[in-house]
Amino acid sequence: AQKITQTQPGMFVQEKEAVTLDCTYDTSDPSYGLFWYKQPSSGEMIFLIYQGSYDQQNATEGRYSLNFQKARKSANLVISASQLGDSAMYFCAWGKRGSARQLTFGSGTQLTVLP
Amino acid sequence: GAVVSQHPSWVICKSGTSVKIECRSLDFQATTMFWYRQFPKQSLMLMATSNEGSKATYEQGVEKDKFLINHASLTLSTLTVTSAHPEDSSFYICSASRTSGSTDTQYFGPGTRLTVL
Repeated sequence: AQKITQTQPGMFVQEKEAVTLDCTYDTSDPSYGLFWYKQPSSGEMIFLIYQGSYDQQNATEGRYSLNFQKARKSANLVISASQLGDSAMYFCAWGKRGSARQLTFGSGTQLTVLP
Repeated sequence: GAVVSQHPSWVICKSGTSVKIECRSLDFQATTMFWYRQFPKQSLMLMATSNEGSKATYEQGVEKDKFLINHASLTLSTLTVTSAHPEDSSFYICSASRTSGSTDTQYFGPGTRLTVL
């Protein structure tokens, strides 16, 4: 079974600063995707960014970027210019490439943005 | 795009009753939907994979007779918690898989908070 590890249960960042949330994964599959989701206190899971295992470049979506280091099996999320609304739980997830793949989630990181 | 709704958003019921939760993909068709359960301050646990027109696939340890899943159309999956007990109280969240090119992304509903008295 795949294992997704998020070693930071909680993180604090000052408003307008950048923050990196760590995610490592353990897989022998050559073809997979990595996802990051944000879960605010309301509970909804919000899709942020996706990185495919064969993608040559690191994914970026607005203030979110994914630092993908395939050899080290890490897919860290970088949030630039943090905003108070970024305070939430962040989950990293792994899915095998293919149709309607199941996702394996990490334990999550609670990010708090300080004013 | 990629909006998933879930109804109800919260429900309180008496022990022994059944509760139905609906998950709809509003602006895309989803042949596959997923049902998760989440306890406070924990990660999502996959309960089952719901496939349109066929039986759901349940994860190990999930009672299929207790958590009935029906995926009647390409936009609707339902989860029925039968004979609910207090230990079934949890946050239930569904997702629908949308394919764009070679990428499948799961989009989540807002979740349903179930409290069984």
